[in-house]
Amino acid sequence: GQSLEQPSEVTAVEGAIVQINCTYQTSGFYGLSWYQQHDGGAPTFLSYNALDGLEETGRFSSFLSRSDSYGYLLLQELQMKDSASYFCAARMDSSYKLIFGSGTRLLVRP
Amino acid sequence: NAGVTQTPKFQVLKTGQSMTLQCAQDMNHEYMSWYRQDPGMGLRLIHYSVGAGITDQGEVPNGYNVSRSTTEDFPLRLLSAAPSQTSVYFCASRTGQGNQPQHFGDGTRLSIL
Repeated sequence: GQSLEQPSEVTAVEGAIVQINCTYQTSGFYGLSWYQQHDGGAPTFLSYNALDGLEETGRFSSFLSRSDSYGYLLLQELQMKDSASYFCAARMDSSYKLIFGSGTRLLVRP
Repeated sequence: NAGVTQTPKFQVLKTGQSMTLQCAQDMNHEYMSWYRQDPGMGLRLIHYSVGAGITDQGEVPNGYNVSRSTTEDFPLRLLSAAPSQTSVYFCASRTGQGNQPQHFGDGTRLSIL
């Protein structure tokens, strides 16, 4: 079957760096996306990796290794407002549909 | 710029009732989808569409119908509501290009009694 695995919860201190991992099992793979969701809100797009390597967008970076079926989201200079749930999502075939992981709840402490 | 608009924002139904959740986007996106999110869980794909007149099933399609008569609209129909369908429903749209983000509506919070 198709699945994406993430840790359920991560805690970090304000100003620190945190990495959220995502491993996937699919019969096909076209790319990995990351979304942020605050409590009561809608998911919002953070980044997308189609090729191996690191993509950087401000304080957020995302990495993909297709050979390892693995990716991660790196958040630097953590702020209290970064406390949210983070989801990896994979496009697994040419139909453009996205399948989401179960999400990682990040708690940033002062 | 409205983006993806979902109505209603909140709804309470009785078991066995039917209803339609509305979704409209004004970005001329080809691809639209419906997800449900249960408390503390991820998003599970219900149905999706790659263009007007074309729909397909996602991970959890049972109990739901969709249609796509126009590019803009993608309604989700609950045929006979069950308590297990209590959830937050999100509609999303995107272009067909792989690196483009999926835009989500604000969600519909649905309770089935």
